[in-house]
Amino acid sequence: AQSVTQLGSHVSVSEGALVLLRCNYSSSVPPYLFWYVQYPNQGLQLLLKYTSAATLVKGINGFEAEFKKSETSFHLTKPSAHMSDAAEYFCAVSGSGGYQKVTFGTGTKLQVIP
Amino acid sequence: EAQVTQNPRYLITVTGKKLTVTCSQNMNHEYMSWYRQDPGLGLRQIYYSMNVEVTDKGDVPEGYKVSRKEKRNFPLILESPSPNQTSLYFCASSSSKKKVDIQYFGAGTRLSVL
Repeated sequence: AQSVTQLGSHVSVSEGALVLLRCNYSSSVPPYLFWYVQYPNQGLQLLLKYTSAATLVKGINGFEAEFKKSETSFHLTKPSAHMSDAAEYFCAVSGSGGYQKVTFGTGTKLQVIP
Repeated sequence: EAQVTQNPRYLITVTGKKLTVTCSQNMNHEYMSWYRQDPGLGLRQIYYSMNVEVTDKGDVPEGYKVSRKEKRNFPLILESPSPNQTSLYFCASSSSKKKVDIQYFGAGTRLSVL
């Protein structure tokens, strides 16, 4: 069985401040982990993915995430928030090594305050 | 342009009236999935398909059917829709040629069952 927990359904940051979105996972096999972003009225877009190579993963739009096995975490960070980062972010896990069975977290809405 | 196309984008129907939401991808992907998105619950996988004529249940398959007769198409069928199937639905596709490839999402279908 696999699961994902995203801490905080809503996060607010000031423009230029650090963005930290938390994700903890559970998986009975070595996981593949993903972060997706969803802008209003749009589908999901992949931000980054962890595939058991480097533990620090860099994605698009300046985001990165670090896989920490000991903490079963895969938190998403960005050093400086932009107004355009306002969106909903989803963490997801796949234990089978592919996209056959993917479990998503409940999402975190990021608000960026000018 | 790589695309996953869902139709219709918006649909209002009544309880018990059969409906089909179509999904088509132009990337020759093997994997396709259907998800539903509900506030506070994130995305939940309904069904997925690993190739033509190969489908399997996701986390919430009850009340839904799928078929994969052609590689590019993966329709979602609601034989007898009920109000609890009011949701935002997403289709997604990805390739199996890479072990973990980008998953492409459609723009979504917003369904209301009265």
